[in-house]
Amino acid sequence: RKEVEQDPGPFNVPEGATVAFNCTYSNSASQSFFWYRQDCRKEPKLLMSVYSSGNEDGRFTAQLNRASQYISLLIRDSKLSDSATYLCVVRGNSGNTPLVFGKGTRLSVIA
Amino acid sequence: ETGVTQSPTHLIKTRGQQVTLRCSSQSGHNTVSWYQQALGQGPQFIFQYYREEENGRGNFPPRFSGLQFPNYSSELNVNALELDDSALYLCASSLDWGNYGYTFGSGTRLTVV
Repeated sequence: RKEVEQDPGPFNVPEGATVAFNCTYSNSASQSFFWYRQDCRKEPKLLMSVYSSGNEDGRFTAQLNRASQYISLLIRDSKLSDSATYLCVVRGNSGNTPLVFGKGTRLSVIA
Repeated sequence: ETGVTQSPTHLIKTRGQQVTLRCSSQSGHNTVSWYQQALGQGPQFIFQYYREEENGRGNFPPRFSGLQFPNYSSELNVNALELDDSALYLCASSLDWGNYGYTFGSGTRLTVV
């Protein structure tokens, strides 16, 4: 079983739609959780950290359920510029634990 | 404040050859991590260097090796290249093992033919 699992998509949605991505992780010792965005042939960039209480940044809302080891990202009012691959990322709690990436979910927002 | 710079941006090598990829870390960062991203996959952790010592390694064979220099820049060396080594190689710099976030370079795209 992969350590971080995501639906690879692609998700093709019209502008203005709401889209949700889900992710599960297998290591219960994971302590930090993130969503990264990666544009085609570019480096990943941090979109937002994910906290147990849930957090929102403009049109983006992230949720974490530690009991189910489940992370979600909701994008409201999708824009063409949201088209990218969204990577679910987890990290353990000791100093030398790396970021562990999911395979990514590809989103295409269509006009 | 400078970001993370990787060189070269693209590289084509023949199977069996050796390659060295370079990464200059962000000013003030003392940790460098290397990741391999094959097409259609998420980045996979290769290893991490903190203050010139390797302090974490992923599931990669010994022909993947690295160095970190006193200025915290880093090299990734791959010997005996195989076709499956074709990937985007990403370097991420951070302060104190990433406890304050990571900055990724734009990567080196390696093609092995």
